[in-house]
Amino acid sequence: GQQLNQSPQSMFIQEGEDVSMNCTSSSIFNTWLWYKQEPGEGPVLLIALYKAGELTSNGRLTAQFGITRKDSFLNISASIPSDVGIYFCAGHHGSSNTGKLIFGQGTTLQVKP
Amino acid sequence: DVKVTQSSRYLVKRTGEKVFLECVQDMDHENMFWYRQDPGLGLRLIYFSYDVKMKEKGDIPEGYSVSREKKERFSLILESASTNQTSMYLCASTSGGNLNQPQHFGDGTRLSIL
Repeated sequence: GQQLNQSPQSMFIQEGEDVSMNCTSSSIFNTWLWYKQEPGEGPVLLIALYKAGELTSNGRLTAQFGITRKDSFLNISASIPSDVGIYFCAGHHGSSNTGKLIFGQGTTLQVKP
Repeated sequence: DVKVTQSSRYLVKRTGEKVFLECVQDMDHENMFWYRQDPGLGLRLIYFSYDVKMKEKGDIPEGYSVSREKKERFSLILESASTNQTSMYLCASTSGGNLNQPQHFGDGTRLSIL
């Protein structure tokens, strides 16, 4: 099945640093979603994007729906230890009529206090 | 808040056993999904259902089946468990109508097949 290309695969940063991760696709998506998964838990929705060019913030998190509808990025400002987890991008493919989500491989974030 | 509940957080079974993973959601959602999650591979869709008694194959249905007898419950069945089915299994649901709605996930079942 199709997957999104998510990068980087992992990041190990110092507390207080900013973080940036992105997802790209060769085809158009109708929505972009960003999830966070903490150890032993299921993914939790962070931000949902529905329009090309849309820029949305949720606290220290900011995500954008790329203007070409083929990419999205997530930024985390001033990281803190509780930001640790796996971040997944996901989207609904432009031609889908089933609600199926396509997922990136995930970015594992570790924050050093 | 949407609540998706998976019956077991951890499960250990033996090769050849028939295994049932249960998922219940409390928001009257039409669509339910089963994924498996493996390191470096992200989430891969096994099966999904958009109505009672309806099911569709996802990307990796081999070795699995599903049951949706009631709207709130979606069961994943491993007919004859094998060691390569050791994984984290995640259930998700979303409302029908607008197919671009985000999916809501349960906490997962970590299944080990010995």
